[in-house]
Amino acid sequence: GIQVEQSPPDLILQEGANSTLRCNFSDSVNNLQWFHQNPWGQLINLFYIPSGTKQNGRLSATTVATERYSLLYISSSQTTDSGVYFCAVERHQAGTALIFGKGTTLSVSS
Amino acid sequence: DTGVSQDPRHKITKRGQNVTFRCDPISEHNRLYWYRQTLGQGPEFLTYFQNEAQLEKSRLLSDRFSAERPKGSFSTLEIQRTEQGDSAMYLCASSPSTLYEQYFGPGTRLTVT
Repeated sequence: GIQVEQSPPDLILQEGANSTLRCNFSDSVNNLQWFHQNPWGQLINLFYIPSGTKQNGRLSATTVATERYSLLYISSSQTTDSGVYFCAVERHQAGTALIFGKGTTLSVSS
Repeated sequence: DTGVSQDPRHKITKRGQNVTFRCDPISEHNRLYWYRQTLGQGPEFLTYFQNEAQLEKSRLLSDRFSAERPKGSFSTLEIQRTEQGDSAMYLCASSPSTLYEQYFGPGTRLTVT
């Protein structure tokens, strides 16, 4: 099956720093989503980005589908950005299930 | 437009007992998904429905697990004869169709003692 690898597994930042999270996937995908899981376990949608670039405030994401990777950029990080960031893909021509990576745990300190 | 809701949020049960969880998707979302998440891992797919039809089940969904979506609206996930290995967060998601974002509920955290 498709493999989804996220790096780095852990990231520690000072407030105000910028960061880049990476997601590599092993096969063609229909759908790619980035999520932020808060300390209570809620998965919050950040981006639906099977290809191209999107921006939302301090966050932006780029997916290069032909090279099978996606990047999530966080600028001017805040303590509220702490949590686990997941990349998830929906397999091409298989539909339905999202396959998640193991996540990147981000800790932002003031 | 309210989000996906799940009930209960927490459930503690003794090994061998049956438990049932409920998920209410975003209204008019045809697709409903169940995932399971254990500590330190990403969510893993269990099953999904298109309206009332259960179209795919993961090999993770053993015979002790059953899911229903009787009227194409809410869904229930039942675990019979719970085992300690069933302890996990059970997440529900919905989407309008394929090729659309999936939106997740807050989850039901199950602890089997």
